[in-house]
This record gives sequence, C-alpha cells and structure tokens, in this order.
Amino acid sequence: GENVEQHPSTLSVQEGDSAVIKCTYSDSASNYFPWYKQELGKGPQLIIDIRSNVGEKKDQRIAVTLNKTAKHFSLHITETQPEDSAVYFCAAPSWGSGNTGKLIFGQGTTLQVKP
Amino acid sequence: DAGVIQSPRHEVTEMGQEVTLRCKPISGHNSLFWYRQTMMRGLELLIYFNNNVPIDDSGMPEDRFSAKMPNASFSTLKIQPSEPRDSAVYFCASRGAGEKLFFGSGTQLSVL
Repeated sequence: GENVEQHPSTLSVQEGDSAVIKCTYSDSASNYFPWYKQELGKGPQLIIDIRSNVGEKKDQRIAVTLNKTAKHFSLHITETQPEDSAVYFCAAPSWGSGNTGKLIFGQGTTLQVKP
Repeated sequence: DAGVIQSPRHEVTEMGQEVTLRCKPISGHNSLFWYRQTMMRGLELLIYFNNNVPIDDSGMPEDRFSAKMPNASFSTLKIQPSEPRDSAVYFCASRGAGEKLFFGSGTQLSVL
C-alpha cells in the first residue's frame, strides 16, 4: 500500500517569505497529489492538487511541483501572510480493488507565519 | 451546497457507553470516507464506502467500531463500548466522480 512521508513537521517563516513543504510517496501507481489546509477547529480543505501528467501547477501564491521519477512532490507558498498559518497535509492515493482509490495523508506540517 | 455535514460537533461520554457519529455527504457524491485524527497518528482512514457498499475497512481498529451507510445520503460510525483511547476528532469526507475529497467539520469525541 501507499506510504506518504511529509517534512518538515513544523515551519516558521516571516511574513512575506516563502514556505516549502515536501512529501514523498511509495506507490509508483499513484497519479493524483492533493494538498489540504486545516485551520483550527475545522476540517481539512483542498487548496491545490496535481495529476501525474504535469510537473507543476500554480494558483496565485500557491504552487505544487511533482517529480515522478523521485516520487516526491512539494507545496510552495510565496509572499506568505499570517492567514496562511495552519496545518498543511499532502496526500496520495492507494489503489485497492475496483479502481476506487483511498487517500493516504502525510503527518502534517504546522506552518506559522510571523507578522 | 451545504458541504459534508457531521453531527454532533462535540461528544463527551463515559467509558463503556455507546457513541454514534453521523454524516451526510454532499449530494450526488458516491464515495464516503471516515477518518480519525489524533496528534500521535495523524489522519487515519478507518473505512470507506462506494455506492453505499463498504470497500475497505482495514483501518477500523477493533470490533468495537462499526460503520453503516444505509443510503446515499447518510452514514454512521458507531463505537460500542467506547474507551478513553478512542478520544479523537472523527472526520467524514465524500467524493464525487473526480478525485477531489471534501471533508466535514468533524466530531470532537472525548471519552472519560
């Protein structure tokens, strides 16, 4: 089955700086890589995702890069703001029978953006 | 769209009591997932359903845990009897035709 490793577990940056969170996965069949943001007292919310047929995807200040050969993908947040402070999770699918993949999550990264 | 709706938001119970968590997925979604979140183990998948049928329950920790999905708009996760180590946040999530997974706000369970 899929195993997802996420680093770092905590990250503190100054407002305006960039933040990078990295994940590795084990299942070479994985083809979809989402990132979730979880604010205190709320459920994880999808912020960006990438499919395996592209190497990079951007959405305003957020970007995700994928290296299928090395089986790792990263979340990049530029011009960080205090409201970016949250826990971020990466995930990858583990495919069972019937082509109905279940998402396996990394351990999470607590991002703190200092004003 | 109201999103995934979970109830209750908070549940405090005593060890040995039965606990039932409820979930209403997003209308039209055909896959439903139950996750448990703890500091030590992060987000763990307990069980998921596809078209109301349980597909993979390998994450269910013990026989004390059971889940049902009697129809496309409702699912329950039951713990009987509950134990203090079951204390966690339990999330329900649903997915439609694509890959995007949408989470509810969770149920914070405390077993004393």
